[in-house]
Amino acid sequence: EDQVTQSPEALRLQEGESSSLNCSYTVSGLRGLFWYRQDPGKGPEFLFTLYSAGEEKEKERLKATLTKKESFLHITAPKPEDSATYLCAVQTAGGYQKVTFGTGTKLQVIP
Amino acid sequence: DAGITQSPRYKITETGRQVTLMCHQTWSHSYMFWYRQDLGHGLRLIYYSAAADITDKGEVPDGYVVSRSKTENFPLTLESATRSQTSVYFCASSLSLNEKLFFGSGTQLSVL
Repeated sequence: EDQVTQSPEALRLQEGESSSLNCSYTVSGLRGLFWYRQDPGKGPEFLFTLYSAGEEKEKERLKATLTKKESFLHITAPKPEDSATYLCAVQTAGGYQKVTFGTGTKLQVIP
Repeated sequence: DAGITQSPRYKITETGRQVTLMCHQTWSHSYMFWYRQDLGHGLRLIYYSAAADITDKGEVPDGYVVSRSKTENFPLTLESATRSQTSVYFCASSLSLNEKLFFGSGTQLSVL
């Protein structure tokens, strides 16, 4: 059974304090790994897709990396507006869209 | 505005009642999905559709019915609501099977 585990569940940072969120996965036949951001009361919003180990993607203060077992979302010098829940999802080969979501990391950035 | 819209935003109903959640997208995306989000669980797929008149079950389909007579609409019906169906429901769409998902703002459903 495909499993996706995100850690930590919650993270509190001071503004400017860099850190990383982890997404570890156990799946067969990874097609892609997705990162989404979810603000309270809203639907998830796409950030990145990673397809193969060693791949990296960047967007503003966020950088996502991928290995064969896990992905990291690095947040450099975060700002309060980066506060959100970050969701990781993995897509595997399957007869339908086989996407397994993690439970997310709730990030709070304090001014 | 273009995008994916869900209605209602909030819904309170009683056990045994039928409830329909609406989803409309303006991008002409082929794929549409219904997820539920509960504390302690990741988003879980209920049903998905690859095109008009083509639907298939996801991970947690029991108690739900979907239809897709038009590409832009994908309603989700709870035929006889149960308390365990209290959740936040998200509709999503994508251009193709392996593409990123675009989510609506969700419907918060409470079954009393």
